[in-house]
Amino acid sequence: SAVISQKPSRDICQRGTSLTIQCQVDSQVTMMFWYRQQPGQSLTLIATANQGSEATYESGFVIDKFPISRPNLTFSTLTVSNMSPEDSSIYLCSVGLLPAGNIQYFGAGTRLSVL
Amino acid sequence: GNSVTQMEGPVTLSEEAFLTINCTYTATGYPSLFWYVQYPGEGLQLLLKATKADDKGSNKGFEATYRKETTSFHLEKGSVQVSDSAVYFCALTKDNYGQNFVFGPGTRLSVLP
Repeated sequence: SAVISQKPSRDICQRGTSLTIQCQVDSQVTMMFWYRQQPGQSLTLIATANQGSEATYESGFVIDKFPISRPNLTFSTLTVSNMSPEDSSIYLCSVGLLPAGNIQYFGAGTRLSVL
Repeated sequence: GNSVTQMEGPVTLSEEAFLTINCTYTATGYPSLFWYVQYPGEGLQLLLKATKADDKGSNKGFEATYRKETTSFHLEKGSVQVSDSAVYFCALTKDNYGQNFVFGPGTRLSVLP
């Protein structure tokens, strides 16, 4: 298994500002994922972050809005840029462990409210 | 692409009742199937998984069997407890590479004492 720490756990931000969310894993992993969970809804994959390469974004998400860094095998950041109230969500980091059978382990999430 | 359909909630049960949450999927190839649980205020935790047809995943009294003929992975528990109150997500791997996941909409379960 993996232990994943996300910071901050929650934040309240003003419209137009940016927030950077950190994800730290207790072991080296190849693939890290960032999800958004809007209130009362399921998870939507924002992007896949591989160490040493550009993040791969899903349809509807762009790098200018959600820049991602992956400087090493245990750490990643997601920035939510130029925030609006529509960005109020839970943002979740997860990691995929192989050869553990394609299991993804999740952090506790960052609860973001934009005023 | 792969997709998953999940029973709409909320589901409200009395303690010790039998639980079934339906999950069906559409996939090409042979995805792995998962149930995740999200307790209030927390992230997602893996509850159980199955990687091939007829596999049964089980954990904490919950079970689900990978049914390829009906493309289903229904979650069951014989006797629920108040502590099982949470949101349950069915998920499958997005493609045969097995790293990207697709999640169902989630089913909120409330168990009353």
